[in-house]
Amino acid sequence: EPEVTQTPSHQVTQMGQEVILRCVPISNHLYFYWYRQILGQKVEFLVSFYNNEISEKSEIFDDQFSVERPDGSNFTLKIRSTKLEDSAMYFCASRGTEGPIGYTFGSGTRLTVV
Amino acid sequence: QKEVEQNSGPLSVPEGAIASLNCTYSDRVSQSFFWYRQYSGKSPELIMSIYSNGDKEDGRFTAQLNKASQYVSLLIRDSQPSDSATYLCALEGDGNAGNMLTFGGGTRLMVKP
Repeated sequence: EPEVTQTPSHQVTQMGQEVILRCVPISNHLYFYWYRQILGQKVEFLVSFYNNEISEKSEIFDDQFSVERPDGSNFTLKIRSTKLEDSAMYFCASRGTEGPIGYTFGSGTRLTVV
Repeated sequence: QKEVEQNSGPLSVPEGAIASLNCTYSDRVSQSFFWYRQYSGKSPELIMSIYSNGDKEDGRFTAQLNKASQYVSLLIRDSQPSDSATYLCALEGDGNAGNMLTFGGGTRLMVKP
């Protein structure tokens, strides 16, 4: 079964450092997303991406965040200057326009900012 | 602002029983509703989707939607210990494939052998 792949599975970084979280969505999907989940809290939407541009973003997705699809397969989330409160699980998801409706989530990257 | 409310639980049921999970939402525009299962430290896994009022069955799972009451539920028949997880209710907006999901906080289900 096709899956969304995320790397790394766990990243520890110092406050103020830049991190890039990587995702490989399902190959024939067209819509890509980043969500995050702070420990013990809800899954929260960050950003959606379609046709090589951001289609929607939440209040969380401020200037510290950016997304990119640098080639035909990877989808990245960059946090420029990490803060302690950025510590969370970050999930990438993708969705096609046909087939089962619903998002396929990757296994997540646990980001720990120290 | 879409809101999705779930009882955090834990909901404890004996093995073999029916588990009933409930979710209410505030946005009348929402058209698509999803139930995800999330094991501790893992990503959400899609169980069911439902778009029309009424019931939708898939194996041991039945999703129920009542748009007038803004209520969606998930029934798990013959509950197994492996069903122990957090169940997330999520909704999407106007049916456009690009819409974001809004999640509830989840209900923790414990199935006791």
